[in-house]
This record gives sequence, structure tokens and C-alpha cells, in this order.
Amino acid sequence: AQTVTQSQPEMSVQEAETVTLSCTYDTSESDYYLFWYKQPPSRQMILVIRQEAYKQQNATENRFSVNFQKAAKSFSLKISDSQLGDAAMYFCAYRSAMNYGQNFVFGPGTRLSVLP
Amino acid sequence: ETGVTQTPRHLVMGMTNKKSLKCEQHLGHNAMYWYKQSAKKPLELMFVYNFKEQTENNSVPSRFSPECPNSSHLFLHLHTLQPEDSALYLCASSQGNRANSPLHFGNGTRLTVT
Repeated sequence: AQTVTQSQPEMSVQEAETVTLSCTYDTSESDYYLFWYKQPPSRQMILVIRQEAYKQQNATENRFSVNFQKAAKSFSLKISDSQLGDAAMYFCAYRSAMNYGQNFVFGPGTRLSVLP
Repeated sequence: ETGVTQTPRHLVMGMTNKKSLKCEQHLGHNAMYWYKQSAKKPLELMFVYNFKEQTENNSVPSRFSPECPNSSHLFLHLHTLQPEDSALYLCASSQGNRANSPLHFGNGTRLTVT
């Protein structure tokens, strides 16, 4: 079974600075998808960014980018120019591309604080 | 985003009550999910419905009973709950037959069992 680990329960960053949240996963599959979700105090989980394992190029969405290292099974999220609104819980998630019906596996989350 | 709507937002119930949580999605998805989120625990998948058929029941106690009348609506019927069932219950939807389709979540129902 796949597992997702986020080794940083809490992180903090100064406003306008850059922060990197780590995520590692364990799988024997070669084709899968990885996701980062953000859950602000409003509680709704929002998709931040998605990466296809077959793509070597790292995904980027505005100030959010990932460092995807397939061999190391690492999928870190970099937030540039951090804003107060980035404060939230961040969850890393895995989904198999080969096992039809395979559901999402979530990590335990990292709570990010943004300091003014 | 109002793609997935959950009601009520908050619910307080006694252990002998019966209540239901409702979820509705307007995204044209064919898969719907119930997740339980407790403090300091990973997100727990409870139930999955694909094309209205239940495809996953993650060893959830029978005091939780899901219902999916169509691919846009999902209910979670609650009865004789325990205090440890207090949690945030999240509904989500996706295109179940596309592995790269992300989950779209509702705002959740904060449930307190007294």
C-alpha cells in the first residue's frame, strides 16, 4: 500500500519570503499523480498544484512550484513571496494512475504560519 | 468556490439522535466521497461512490450510513454516535474514471457529539 509522509508538522515563514514544504511517498508503481492541497481556517480543501509522474518538468502555478524527484520519491512544495493568505494546513496526496479506482492517499499535513 | 456544497456547516447532536449530512456537487463529476478529519490525525476515507455505486467502505461503523441517490447528491446518515465521532466531515467529488482528476471538496460539517 502507498504511504505519504510529511515530516514537518509545523512551519513558519516571514511575509514575502520563500518556504519549502516537504513530502515523500512510498510506492512500487511507476505511473501516478501527486497533489498539494491547502486547507485554510475556512476549512475548504483547495487544490494548489498537481504533478503527473511521467512528466519530468516540475509543475508551477503562479507563486507555487514543486520539486519533483521521482527516484527519491520526493514532492516538495515551494511557496515564493509568501502572503498572509498562504497561512493554512497543506496536505500532500498521491493517486495511482494504473490501479483504476485507487483512491487518494493523504499525508498528515503541515501547518504553515506566515509572519507579518 | 461553490462547486461542492455541504449542509449543515455545524451540527451538535446527542448520542441518541438521528441526523443527516448532505452534500451536493455541481461539477458534473461521477464520483463522490466522504472523509473524516479529526484533530492530529490524517484524513480518513470513509466511503466512495462511483456512478452511484458504493465502491469503498473503509471499515466504517454501521452507525454511519451513506446514501447516494444520484451522482450529484450524497448523504451521510448518523445515528447513536459516540463522542469520538466528533470531527470535521468533508465531502468531495471527482471524475472517478480519470486518475488525474483532483478531488474538489466542500466546506465540511463540523460535528460535535455530546
